Amino acid sequence: KNQVEQSPQSLIILEGKNCTLQCNYTVSPFSNLRWYKQDTGRGPVSLTIMTFSENTKSNGRYTATLDADTKQSSLHITASQLSDSASYICVVVRNGQNFVFGPGTRLSVLP
Amino acid sequence: KAGVTQTPRYLIKTRGQQVTLSCSPISGHRSVSWYQQTPGQGLQFLFEYFSETQRNKGNFPGRFSGRQFSNSRSEMNVSTLELGDSALYLCASRPDGDYGYTFGSGTRLTVV
Repeated sequence: KNQVEQSPQSLIILEGKNCTLQCNYTVSPFSNLRWYKQDTGRGPVSLTIMTFSENTKSNGRYTATLDADTKQSSLHITASQLSDSASYICVVVRNGQNFVFGPGTRLSVLP
Repeated sequence: KAGVTQTPRYLIKTRGQQVTLSCSPISGHRSVSWYQQTPGQGLQFLFEYFSETQRNKGNFPGRFSGRQFSNSRSEMNVSTLELGDSALYLCASRPDGDYGYTFGSGTRLTVV
């Protein structure tokens, strides 16, 4: 079954700390994997897009990794800021066109 | 350039009514897709339109329908509203040959 799981479900960290969010998937055939950030009441915004051959991709303080063999991805946030408080959604694109969404990780950054 | 615009932002309807949501994609984007987002189910794909044709459909009942106009603007209609239809409805558009969707801010529908 094509599924995307994310952990933890929610996370609270202090401003300035680092954190890592996990994504495991069983989607096949795999086209690419995306991380989105969604602020409360807003639409998701793309952070990174990774294809099968890419292991790491960065976007500012966000670094995503992909291990296509174990079907795992992570999103590392460095030096967190209050504005990082949001839901982070892992999405795996299947067969070039079908999006399989993870349930998201709710991150709260406290001062 | 302008992003994906969804109207209205908030909507309150009564059970049994119908509702129409609107989405204006980014200029030049011909592909528009719709998603339902609820706290319990997360994001779920409703349907995708390309050049006025429905190209893909998710697992939703026939009460959910959509259409796309020649200018790529899209509407989504939900008939006979149920309490469980309360959700954030998101529209996204993308350029041809690219799966980098840009999402709108969504319409928050509350059914009472």
